[in-house]
Amino acid sequence: QVQLQESGPGLVKPSETLSLTCTVSGGSISKFYWSWIRQSPGKGLEWIGYIHYTGSTDYEPSFKSRVTMSVATPWNQFSLRLSSVTAADTAVYYCARAYSNYMDVWGKGITVTVSS
Amino acid sequence: EIMLTQSPGTLSLSPGERATLSCRASQSVSSAFLAWYQLKPGQAPRLLIFGTSTRATGIPDRFTGSGSGTDFTLTISRLEPEDFAVYYCQQYGSSPLISFGPGTTVDVK
Repeated sequence: QVQLQESGPGLVKPSETLSLTCTVSGGSISKFYWSWIRQSPGKGLEWIGYIHYTGSTDYEPSFKSRVTMSVATPWNQFSLRLSSVTAADTAVYYCARAYSNYMDVWGKGITVTVSS
Repeated sequence: EIMLTQSPGTLSLSPGERATLSCRASQSVSSAFLAWYQLKPGQAPRLLIFGTSTRATGIPDRFTGSGSGTDFTLTISRLEPEDFAVYYCQQYGSSPLISFGPGTTVDVK
């Protein structure tokens, strides 16, 4: 069965770029959309955006100026880059597989703290 | 922009009781584009329902989704100990393309 695993630094300095990777195992990345979602402390889920395996993207408007997503098909991975981070970007970041309109498989999440 | 609200914020119930969770949209949402998720600390979020009423793979039939237009409901017929969690509804199709409600916590009374 398909499993997703987030990886990347758990601590990022303010104004720097947060970079995370999601590795897909048990299935091919060459179908579906691949999403990033986050949950800030004490808050609900927030969709950041998704990337189709072909490389087309759709980002939540409030992130659009700071976010880049990419897909690396040979390695069954996709990535998130979020620039100019502040403390407000401290959150648990999840990657998920999406059927465009819903997300059926999620990773367990990775905690990222923005602090100097 | 479609806003989702969920009520109640917290539902305190005992195992075996029925849970009724509400999700209301500020504008009409296509029935095809409303989903529900379950979140527990330290675990991967779990898709329960998509297309308003279709249970995801492996989801027990005590979970039922219903509704249309702006009002949607997730019902858990008899709460099992593992059902105490936070539940989110999610819509697709309007800017933002995907958005979540604020969540309902189901905790033990």
